[in-house]
Amino acid sequence: AQKVTQAQTEISVVEKEDVTLDCVYETRDTTYYLFWYKQPPSGELVFLIRRNSFDEQNEISGRYSWNFQKSTSSFNFTITASQVVDSAVYFCALSERRTGGYNKLIFGAGTRLAVHP
Amino acid sequence: GAVVSQHPSWVICKSGTSVKIECRSLDFQATTMFWYRQFPKQSLMLMATSNEGSKATYEQGVEKDKFLINHASLTLSTLTVTSAHPEDSSFYICSAVKGGPGTGELFFGEGSRLTVL
Repeated sequence: AQKVTQAQTEISVVEKEDVTLDCVYETRDTTYYLFWYKQPPSGELVFLIRRNSFDEQNEISGRYSWNFQKSTSSFNFTITASQVVDSAVYFCALSERRTGGYNKLIFGAGTRLAVHP
Repeated sequence: GAVVSQHPSWVICKSGTSVKIECRSLDFQATTMFWYRQFPKQSLMLMATSNEGSKATYEQGVEKDKFLINHASLTLSTLTVTSAHPEDSSFYICSAVKGGPGTGELFFGEGSRLTVL
């Protein structure tokens, strides 16, 4: 069965610290997509990244970076030099072709990140 | 990027009444839309897949007579919460697929917060 686990419920850091949000997934499909979304207090989901299962290259976008490791079924997200504006709930999500197409997302429980001045 | 709009953004209603939430793709046509539900401080749970011109596909445990979904056009899907009760109070988020059903891009609405008194 497909499942996304975000073991860290809440993380609290001080500004400028680096922080890594963990995501472990389960799937029987060989072709799938992984996503990260940010949900600020206003509620809307902000898309951060989509990665397909065949692309294991790590990605860096500004202060954000992602480490995808199929061997451990993990897709971790690191924020470097965190800022107060990074405070939000972050969701990792999985979609598979087998269970309804690449757009039907299964979300993890989310990690609430609080960055303090 | 593409825009998906939900209306209303928030709604308060009395117990026993029905409430309709609209999800519109403003600048693209979407044959497939998804409806998610999010309780406070919890993850997003997929409720149903809305298909233009056909019946919605509901996830296990979601009452289709309680949550009526109508995808009447390529740019509009509606979710009607019938005979609402306080336990239906939640944040409802839709997403729409731009492009093909398999690999199209996914865009989320801003969400609709329902409070049932």
